[in-house]
Amino acid sequence: DVQLVESGGGLVKPGGSLRLSCAASGFTFSSFTMNWVRQAPGKGLEWVSSISSDSTYIYYPDSVKGRFTISRDNTNNSLYLQMNGLRADDTAVYYCTRAVLIEPSAMGLWGQGTLVTVSA
Amino acid sequence: EKVMTQSPATLSVSPGERATLSCGASQSFGTKVAWYQQKPGQAPRLLIYGTSTRATGIPTRFSVGGSGTEFTLIINGLQSEDFAVYYCQRYSNWPPQGTFGPGTKVDMK
Repeated sequence: DVQLVESGGGLVKPGGSLRLSCAASGFTFSSFTMNWVRQAPGKGLEWVSSISSDSTYIYYPDSVKGRFTISRDNTNNSLYLQMNGLRADDTAVYYCTRAVLIEPSAMGLWGQGTLVTVSA
Repeated sequence: EKVMTQSPATLSVSPGERATLSCGASQSFGTKVAWYQQKPGQAPRLLIYGTSTRATGIPTRFSVGGSGTEFTLIINGLQSEDFAVYYCQRYSNWPPQGTFGPGTKVDMK
């Protein structure tokens, strides 16, 4: 089956760190731009980071730039998000997404999400 | 300040009717639009990308219109499984990033 499975979420104190993982299967992972998108409880969607198929290009919005680091391992079909300096407003479900092949910003496949809670 | 909007915030529709959802922007966020559907407790699902291309498996009752700063998603003959929240996303060809609108909830009248 074509799928994305996130892991690594949990409860962390403000200022702490967490590393999210996303295991991809059923498709040629190394061909696709990958992304992280988050959704705070009861709120809308927010793009968090993108990484091109060969890791050459990496992008973040200002809200996470300097604190979050996206990476990928094409050998092991995995995507990662290292989150440092976590704040309460980072609390959200984090989704791993696969871009549409010809539209790197459109997100054609989503994982089920992993919840990150930042609280003292 | 660049602002993305979706209207209405909530749309009450009876099954079989047409729903028209709007996605606007105060400035250009990008020339392309994608639309996503999200049901409670589920991840979003891509409906439309590249402004007008239906994703794999998306029925033809979902169509799009508009251009420039205002785009619309039209759902003809609303089915029970279509009651959900719909998000638009504005983006350019490159770099890979995008801004999501605040969403429109389509519920049953």
